[in-house]
Amino acid sequence: GAVVSQHPSRVICKSGTSVKIECRSLDFQATTMFWYRQFPKQSLMLMATSNEGSKATYEQGVEKDKFLINHASLTLSTLTVTSAHPEDSSFYICSARQGRGNQPQHFGDGTRLSIL
Amino acid sequence: GENVEQHPSTLSVQEGDSAVIKCTYSDSASNYFPWYKQELGKRPQLIIDIRSNVGEKKDQRIAVTLNKTAKHFSLHITETQPEDSAVYFCAASPYGQNFVFGPGTRLSVLP
Repeated sequence: GAVVSQHPSRVICKSGTSVKIECRSLDFQATTMFWYRQFPKQSLMLMATSNEGSKATYEQGVEKDKFLINHASLTLSTLTVTSAHPEDSSFYICSARQGRGNQPQHFGDGTRLSIL
Repeated sequence: GENVEQHPSTLSVQEGDSAVIKCTYSDSASNYFPWYKQELGKRPQLIIDIRSNVGEKKDQRIAVTLNKTAKHFSLHITETQPEDSAVYFCAASPYGQNFVFGPGTRLSVLP
């Protein structure tokens, strides 16, 4: 149980392109979904938290107009990197949590984004 | 806000030996402490977690201890195997709030 699917797993595209990443909870309803960015050999940096049907809460320093998050249902959240540039190249991972209490987050497989 | 430190950053052990990773946290309101294992290029996977009403939890070769007074918690892996090699992250979270992850420990189990 508690499977999170993230697509695509890898994206290579030209500078200026917008890229959409999907995160789905397959066998549970995710009250909250999280988006992280991970640089090589570093920890998970939280970008934003989203609750179904409401606006995402962004961490300090994360541009909400650059990283658009939509959490349209209890099983789907999307992250769109708008007008991506080489400095946006990174490993993006989503996670989902069921309920609001002390529950684990279940992670997707991540998306490796490379902007040329 | 919460700040989580983790030590050591790298750890090498011989197969069969034990490995211990320690984390400290700063926010006394934190009451949930999960540990994740991440293999290269893969998703972090929950391996064990502990809540603040418990001092120790064990699952086969893995155990976690929590000292609320000192604000630190530790991961113990016994009888290490090569497949235990990975990066391990601790995290701390006040009730229902976001996780704050430690910087990670790269564990290498040498055959």
